[in-house]
Amino acid sequence: DAGITQSPRHKVTETGTPVTLRCHQTENHRYMYWYRQDPGHGLRLIHYSYGVKDTDKGEVSDGYSVSRSKTEDFLLTLESATSSQTSVYFCAISERGRVTEAFFGQGTRLTVV
Amino acid sequence: SQELEQSPQSLIVQEGKNLTINCTSSKTLYGLYWYKQKYGEGLIFLMMLQKGGEEKSHEKITAKLDEKKQQSSLHITASQPSHAGIYLCGAAYNAGNMLTFGGGTRLMVKP
Repeated sequence: DAGITQSPRHKVTETGTPVTLRCHQTENHRYMYWYRQDPGHGLRLIHYSYGVKDTDKGEVSDGYSVSRSKTEDFLLTLESATSSQTSVYFCAISERGRVTEAFFGQGTRLTVV
Repeated sequence: SQELEQSPQSLIVQEGKNLTINCTSSKTLYGLYWYKQKYGEGLIFLMMLQKGGEEKSHEKITAKLDEKKQQSSLHITASQPSHAGIYLCGAAYNAGNMLTFGGGTRLMVKP
């Protein structure tokens, strides 16, 4: 299995609180992605990174921010969590940015109450 | 995503039966990707289709691309419990590295 770890795996938080999810890779891949998965919507891209300190918005970026200060870590932050952000979050990594070569993490189940 | 409709949303079949999952795009496809997700795990890439009429197989799973209809179908022959999971189609609309995913099909195979 590719060296990609998401933490935490499960989290319950209250509305209005900040939350940070971490994606850590040991593969030295250049590209990292954050997706959210919701019933009926499949996977939707939140943000992605194409290098250290290089990030860009995806399809559903409102309410989320990201940071990548090191190649191995890609952080997803919900500044003020809302119930609509209850979801399963997946991180993915890719060496050359080709989706067919992307490895996905095991997901983080976030519940905002 | 409304750009990519996947059907059915869920499917329960008896072991040994064949089944088909469809994925239809409202926009012209550059490429169509199929993934499988085991419950609670990440995605596993199955196959990619780019040319109209193209057909690919992965073990007992076959996918076809109908370019005219902007549609792909995934067919599983003689389903097994190991086929259970969520199948997702992903569409690429250009040569970039972004995919739009369908809503997924949750497959259960009853022994």
